[in-house]
Amino acid sequence: DGGITQSPKYLFRKEGQNVTLSCEQNLNHDAMYWYRQDPGQGLRLIYYSQIVNDFQKGDIAEGYSVSREKKESFPLTVTSAQKNPTAFYLCASSPYTGTSLYGYTFGSGTRLTVV
Amino acid sequence: GENVEQHPSTLSVQEGDSAVIKCTYSDSASNYFPWYKQELGKRPQLIIDIRSNVGEKKDQRIAVTLNKTAKHFSLHITETQPEDSAVYFCAASTSGTYKYIFGTGTRLKVLA
Repeated sequence: DGGITQSPKYLFRKEGQNVTLSCEQNLNHDAMYWYRQDPGQGLRLIYYSQIVNDFQKGDIAEGYSVSREKKESFPLTVTSAQKNPTAFYLCASSPYTGTSLYGYTFGSGTRLTVV
Repeated sequence: GENVEQHPSTLSVQEGDSAVIKCTYSDSASNYFPWYKQELGKRPQLIIDIRSNVGEKKDQRIAVTLNKTAKHFSLHITETQPEDSAVYFCAASTSGTYKYIFGTGTRLKVLA
């Protein structure tokens, strides 16, 4: 069954702690993305990656870091430098066609709460 | 910078009526416009998309129209049903950029 899996579904972070959100896809998609969603707001891009070993900052990258060592995996680390990390985090992937664009497939999300 | 404005932010309709959500984009090079539906606590799901070489696309009760000159596109849902209640997001993207600019979402409530 092809898809994109995020874990954990819920995550609690203490002040000053780094946490890592997992995102794995078996769709053979080249591009992967991390978005943050706050209540009543749209989706804001944190980081994206077009190919393995390459990634780009999005609009709100401060306080976050990513890696793309494998095509299937794009983990997001929320560092202690992110002062307001409580949000719903969505991972997405899309195929790379070179000249055209296709819709994203989203994961089911991770709800991160600072305690 | 690039921007997508989406209106209205909330929309209530009676079951069976039509619903229309409108988006305006700023980047004239945008050429791909997807729409996503997000039910409460769930992942956004692609429901329909349109490319800049067509003006309209339909899929059963859902249609999207695109006006490139005015730089706006709209989602039309006919014969609305309670299960259409959700938040709908529009987005715009451009070949080669690999990222979307999302609208802020419209919360649609279909009243039985």
